[in-house]
Amino acid sequence: GQSLEQPSEVTAVEGAIVQINCTYQTSGFYGLSWYQQHDGGAPTFLSYNALDGLEETGRFSSFLSRSDSYGYLLLQELQMKDSASYFCAVREDQAGTALIFGKGTTLSVSS
Amino acid sequence: NAGVTQTPKFRVLKTGQSMTLLCAQDMNHEYMYWYRQDPGMGLRLIHYSVGEGTTAKGEVPDGYNVSRLKKQNFLLGLESAAPSQTSVYFCASIDKGAVREQYFGPGTRLTVT
Repeated sequence: GQSLEQPSEVTAVEGAIVQINCTYQTSGFYGLSWYQQHDGGAPTFLSYNALDGLEETGRFSSFLSRSDSYGYLLLQELQMKDSASYFCAVREDQAGTALIFGKGTTLSVSS
Repeated sequence: NAGVTQTPKFRVLKTGQSMTLLCAQDMNHEYMYWYRQDPGMGLRLIHYSVGEGTTAKGEVPDGYNVSRLKKQNFLLGLESAAPSQTSVYFCASIDKGAVREQYFGPGTRLTVT
């Protein structure tokens, strides 16, 4: 069956670094995406990995290991505004029509 | 550009009533999607469309119908609403030439009593 596993909650303090892990088991794999969602609003795209390795975008980085069916999102220099839900999502087909989402990780950043 | 818009933002229905949710995008994207989000469940795909006049079922299609008569619009219909359809509904679109990123609408919060 298809499944994406990520922790339900993570807490951290301002300025810290936090890593949100995602392990997946899907029928196909063409890439791993990360989305951020504030207070139930529209999810917004953060990053995408199609190949193994690290992708860096400002304070956020994302890593993928296809052999381990594993990826993570790394958030550095945490700010209060980073408090949100983070979802990993697997692109299952080449056309990009099938995207399977994890259940999300709620990150709480305190001062 | 407005991006992806959804109408309405909120709605309360009684069991058995019908309604249509409208999604519109102005980015000329080929692919459009309807998801539902329930507490602790992440986003689950209801139906999707890869172009005008085409639709396909996703993970949880039962109780919903869709239509894509125009490229920019994707409609989600509930013919006979049930309390189990109480959820937040998100529409999304994607450029088929850049499938790494989905663009989401603001959501429609639907309560069925």
